[in-house]
Amino acid sequence: GAVVSQHPSRVICKSGTSVKIECRSLDFQATTMFWYRQFPKKSLMLMATSNEGSKATYEQGVEKDKFLINHASLTLSTLTVTSAHPEDSSFYICSASRSGRGNQPQHFGDGTRLSIL
Amino acid sequence: AQSVTQLDSQVPVFEEAPVELRCNYSSSVSVYLFWYVQYPNQGLQLLLKYLSGSTLVKGINGFEAEFNKSQTSFHLRKPSVHISDTAEYFCAVSDPTGANNLFFGTGTRLTVIP
Repeated sequence: GAVVSQHPSRVICKSGTSVKIECRSLDFQATTMFWYRQFPKKSLMLMATSNEGSKATYEQGVEKDKFLINHASLTLSTLTVTSAHPEDSSFYICSASRSGRGNQPQHFGDGTRLSIL
Repeated sequence: AQSVTQLDSQVPVFEEAPVELRCNYSSSVSVYLFWYVQYPNQGLQLLLKYLSGSTLVKGINGFEAEFNKSQTSFHLRKPSVHISDTAEYFCAVSDPTGANNLFFGTGTRLTVIP
C-alpha cells in the first residue's frame, strides 16, 4: 500500500509556458503533501508543504507566485510552475503523508523531469 | 533545527561484500530517522525507519540500521550487496513534535561492482 502517482513523468516545453504537475495518493488519504526539487547529484530541497483545504506553506526562498500549489482533496495535490524559464528546469518530486505528524512516513512519487527550452 | 550529514558521497563495493553507509544527525530534540533509496529517474522509496523502541531496525531488501543516540548516528548496513542495490541512498530526520518535515542528507551513491 501507500502508492503515490506523479504525472507527467517528463515535460519538455518552451520558455514562458506554465506547467502543471499532479500528485495523487492512490490507496490512502493524504492529509499532507510535500513538494521537493532535486538538482543534479544533489539532495532534495523542500519547496512547500500543503495540507488539504489549506494554503501551502512555502520554504524560504521559494516564490509563491512562481510555484502555485493546490491541495483540493485528500488524494490530489498539484504544482503549477508559472511562466517557466530554463532555470526552472529540474526534477520535481512530491510526497504524501497520512498526517502532518512526524511518525507518519512520507511516500514519494516517481518525480517529474521538467526541461524548459 | 535538525540537520543530517552523510559523510560519504560515493561508496563503491564489490558484489556480495558487506556495506555500511554512514549517517549522522544533529538535533536539540529527539528525532525520527529514515533511510530512503532512489533509483535513477525515480522518486524515493522508504527502506526503513526508526521511531522508538529497539535501536536495531530492519528494513526491506535486507538492509538494517542502528540508532545510536550517544553518537547521534543512524548507519545503514547490508551484509551482502547485489548489483540491484546500486542507487542513491538518503538519510533523513524529522521532528516528532513538529510538522512532518523531512530534512535530508546529501545522499550516498552506492555502486556495486560485479
